[in-house]
Amino acid sequence: SQTIHQWPATLVQPVGSPLSLECTVEGTSNPNLYWYRQAAGRGLQLLFYSVGIGQISSEVPQNLSASRPQDRQFILSSKKLLLSDSGFYLCAWSVKDSQETQYFGPGTRLLVL
Amino acid sequence: RKEVEQDPGPFNVPEGATVAFNCTYSNSASQSFFWYRQDCRKEPKLLMSVYSSGNEDGRFTAQLNRASQYISLLIRDSKLSDSATYLCVVNSATNAGKSTFGDGTTLTVKP
Repeated sequence: SQTIHQWPATLVQPVGSPLSLECTVEGTSNPNLYWYRQAAGRGLQLLFYSVGIGQISSEVPQNLSASRPQDRQFILSSKKLLLSDSGFYLCAWSVKDSQETQYFGPGTRLLVL
Repeated sequence: RKEVEQDPGPFNVPEGATVAFNCTYSNSASQSFFWYRQDCRKEPKLLMSVYSSGNEDGRFTAQLNRASQYISLLIRDSKLSDSATYLCVVNSATNAGKSTFGDGTTLTVKP
């Protein structure tokens, strides 16, 4: 069966510090991968998605970036965090089929102070 | 106008009640539809896919109306454990690889 891991679970970072969140998927190959952010009490905002190694599409302009160095590894980064980067970051994967049902990791709760 | 819109909520219902959520979508090219459940401070989890013929899973029934571009979720005999936020999700053939999520409707089931 497939599993998706994210770490860390929670993170408190000062403004201006760098960020690296990691997501890995097991039990599947060549998945679509996604990064979302959810602000408190709000809906999901798609940040990045990837259909393959090195292929990243950005949905919104921001000071975040994403990379996919391996088939089942997706990394979200920032060189300098802003207060507005606080939120719940969720990684998801889907099979490349007509449904493209997404399955989410447990998320990383980031607080920028 | 948002691509996917849901009932604003919150819904507060007693145990045993029947509650229905609606969701409308604007992209007529949408081809797959889902309901997710999100518990407080947790990740969204797939509740059920929604098929054109309608589908049922225990106390949950999902319906799709392509002509009117809306989907619905009916929960019968509500349990305390049904308290959560329910997210409507739509995939489009023209938006390959990406899902559009509604903002969610919060349900609280009270004793």
